[in-house]
Amino acid sequence: DAGITQSPRHKVTETGTPVTLRCHQTENHRYMYWYRQDPGHGLRLIHYSYGVKDTDKGEVSDGYSVSRSKTEDFLLTLESATSSQTSVYFCAITTDSYDGYTFGSGTRLTVV
Amino acid sequence: AQSVTQLDSHVSVSEGTPVLLRCNYSSSYSPSLFWYVQHPNKGLQLLLKYTSAATLVKGINGFEAEFKKSETSFHLTKPSAHMSDAAEYFCVVSDTGGFKTIFGAGTRLFVKA
Repeated sequence: DAGITQSPRHKVTETGTPVTLRCHQTENHRYMYWYRQDPGHGLRLIHYSYGVKDTDKGEVSDGYSVSRSKTEDFLLTLESATSSQTSVYFCAITTDSYDGYTFGSGTRLTVV
Repeated sequence: AQSVTQLDSHVSVSEGTPVLLRCNYSSSYSPSLFWYVQHPNKGLQLLLKYTSAATLVKGINGFEAEFKKSETSFHLTKPSAHMSDAAEYFCVVSDTGGFKTIFGAGTRLFVKA
């Protein structure tokens, strides 16, 4: 979607390696989110941010860390990738009035 | 506590016929409710939202949804399906501030020619 981009779009990595996914926004929104999408589970929140250096855990945060050093960038890191982290990862942003999310196009991550 | 249930995992309709995707929710406070659509290999796109204004909400692409508090439902409808409506649809419930957001498991809509 316009205003939010994710990179890479696809990645294959080996078990045990670190992986960083990037979300970049041009909307100057405070709130940014990382979700994972798995069949039968809908979307589940991993971490979110409410400002530079302000982050908090979601419901499935184990094995993931995040950083936000600039308003426009929100990084998701898998410290040591496992096969259970094979998923599609979506970044989302929203306004302060929370009028719904704008999602990125997603990153398909495969851990082999 | 909040929860959301999409009552059908798959719905199949013929082109030109009405669409009904069902969603029930539970919330201990006045919720905000949303429908999103996801086309294959794409991100989710906001279709419409209810945030305690009018109970009948109109969205993009001819979709609408009605908030029924007594039935705790927020069903998505469209009078006439188009082939391009084939996608997965997610019902979402959230508290007013967006601090607690729950996604339904999704309903895949198939549209037959």
